[in-house]
Amino acid sequence: RKEVEQDPGPFNVPEGATVAFNCTYSNSASQSFFWYRQDCRKEPKLLMSVYSSGNEDGRFTAQLNRASQYISLLIRDSKLSDSATYLCVVPSPGGYNKLIFGAGTRLAVHP
Amino acid sequence: GAGVSQSPSNKVTEKGKDVELRCDPISGHTALYWYRQSLGQGLEFLIYFQGNSAPDKSGLPSDRFSAERTGGSVSTLTIQRTQQEDSAVYLCASSKSGGAQGNEQFFGPGTRLTVL
Repeated sequence: RKEVEQDPGPFNVPEGATVAFNCTYSNSASQSFFWYRQDCRKEPKLLMSVYSSGNEDGRFTAQLNRASQYISLLIRDSKLSDSATYLCVVPSPGGYNKLIFGAGTRLAVHP
Repeated sequence: GAGVSQSPSNKVTEKGKDVELRCDPISGHTALYWYRQSLGQGLEFLIYFQGNSAPDKSGLPSDRFSAERTGGSVSTLTIQRTQQEDSAVYLCASSKSGGAQGNEQFFGPGTRLTVL
């Protein structure tokens, strides 16, 4: 099993839609998780941190299921500006605060 | 405050030449990471620094790659005898470190390296 696996993309959705991305991880000891957003030809930027069962920030909700080693990101009322690649990020079992990045899920929101 | 900065933003070099990439992390961040991202690919971890030491060099792809960090701040990634497959965007990130809630990584804009 890969350390971090994400839904393959791309997701093509209309404006206003609700879309969810899934991510599974292999390190059961992980305590903190992150979702990063990466726009085309830009650096990744932190979108949300998840330290407990979940986190909500406006239209974005991240949920964590430790028993199933599963994280999700829900985007409500999608905007054109949400089009990007979303990276699921999990601490490495090797410690040293090393993070493992998933390959990313591409979202394209169309009018 | 200032974010992570990297230089140069673009570098074009000829096969066989050496290149040096620079990263200036966020002030006060003790952890520094180098990644590379090839076109359409995910982030590939290269090396991690905690202060001036590098406890994890496991991602360096060959002995042509080396990195150092002095004074617990600026880091340089050196690629010797560059090959065409080294062409990629090299990203640097820094974090506060010190525990699970302190290790959000903040990225610089990257250096786009093209080896002809």
